[in-house]
Amino acid sequence: QSVLTQPPSVSGAPGQRVTISCTGSSSNIGAGYDVHWYQQLPGTAPKLLIYGNSNRPSGVPDRFSGSKSGTSASLAISGLQAEDEADYYCQSYDSSLSGSGVFGGGTKLTVL
Amino acid sequence: QVQLVQSGAEVKKPGASVKVSCKASGYTFTSYYMHWVRQAPGQGLEWMGIINPSGGSTSYAQKFQGRVTMTRDTSTSTVYMELSSLRSEDTAVYYCARGRSSSSWWDYWGQGTLVTVSS
Repeated sequence: QSVLTQPPSVSGAPGQRVTISCTGSSSNIGAGYDVHWYQQLPGTAPKLLIYGNSNRPSGVPDRFSGSKSGTSASLAISGLQAEDEADYYCQSYDSSLSGSGVFGGGTKLTVL
Repeated sequence: QVQLVQSGAEVKKPGASVKVSCKASGYTFTSYYMHWVRQAPGQGLEWMGIINPSGGSTSYAQKFQGRVTMTRDTSTSTVYMELSSLRSEDTAVYYCARGRSSSSWWDYWGQGTLVTVSS
């Protein structure tokens, strides 16, 4: 059972907008710790997609955006493309656990 | 450019130990923490622990306490993760990932090392 909760799957047609939620608690997201998002294509290592709740690393298209409020965060992907089909994970820090990063269980995005 | 290059796939028997390496290049090795994360087949990501290459201090997820040891060699810019008393449930891809601190994002990842535990 993951510390952060994500929907197992989301889907959308090309060109549409989808959002992926990430729900935590008062010891992680709600405590003010930042949320980061990773994209994992099949058979590859995760890639940083959003850091510090809403910042995009160089090279990540502005179709990807992140936000955070209270004990939750969201990843939005607009103008869906076939290449966006992947697993997406949120990550934060939990003060109640030893020194740790915590993840969501991952969300599989299917582009219809 | 920043690179994290991990050692190759391993096959181990139950009860054995495995030691995975992660060689860093393209940046100041002691300026970034290194995390270890694993992913069982078809499953999500699981944080295992963190090492500070500067002083060698570590912190491990409670689940792995007593079974995992993370070390570093500053002369070769390499970190190591050793997992002992292996069981079939430890079959997974193991990743190293670089972060500025224990709570920051992880901007570079190794390519992953598949560890298979099978009798």
